[in-house]
Amino acid sequence: QVQLQESGPGLVKPSGTLSLTCDVSGVSISSPNWWNWVRQTPGRGLEWLGDIYHRGDINYNPSLEGRVTMSLDKSKNQFSLTLTSVTVADTAVYYCARGPGSVTSILDSWGPGSLVTVTS
Amino acid sequence: EIVLTQSPATLSLSPGERATLSCRASQDVATYLAWYQQKPGQAPRLLISDASDRATGIPARFAGSGSGTDFTLTISSLEPEDFAVYYCQQRSVWPVITFGQGTRLEI
Repeated sequence: QVQLQESGPGLVKPSGTLSLTCDVSGVSISSPNWWNWVRQTPGRGLEWLGDIYHRGDINYNPSLEGRVTMSLDKSKNQFSLTLTSVTVADTAVYYCARGPGSVTSILDSWGPGSLVTVTS
Repeated sequence: EIVLTQSPATLSLSPGERATLSCRASQDVATYLAWYQQKPGQAPRLLISDASDRATGIPARFAGSGSGTDFTLTISSLEPEDFAVYYCQQRSVWPVITFGQGTRLEI
């Protein structure tokens, strides 16, 4: 059974950098899956941030490109999200999720979510 | 960007009734459409993939249909645990994923 768990600071200052990690268990992140980040706010709903393939191929949401970076740490079986130059608009619950297989259009396993608040 | 519009925003029904939720895409997404259920304080849960395929462990009362731009999620007989928010999601144009704004199903 695939399980994901987000971790990271709950508070980030404006203009700072948001960093989150997703610990994966039940499957190796080196297996052919896409590893995703999605965030949710009351105003904008669910927003896909991007995904990273086990080989390191990456896709970012064009609306965030330039501020977002994703990476894999295969030794720890985890993947990470970095978002720079944050503003209050980046306050959200951040989810990591799996897109199964090599070509996928779904997210079949999700972490419970991590609330990140941008505040001075 | 493909926009998904869900209707109604809120649906008020009683246990045992039939629920019909709609999702309309701004352009053809073929059958690259999924449905998720989200309960308060929880992550979304995958219900339906490829417009009509139930995910593992999803009860048969949940059914998805449609193709192109018009899709429907039907819950044949509502159980108390079905009252939640439902989202549709598409990825027909690689790589961008977009979600609808959600339908709240309330008692």
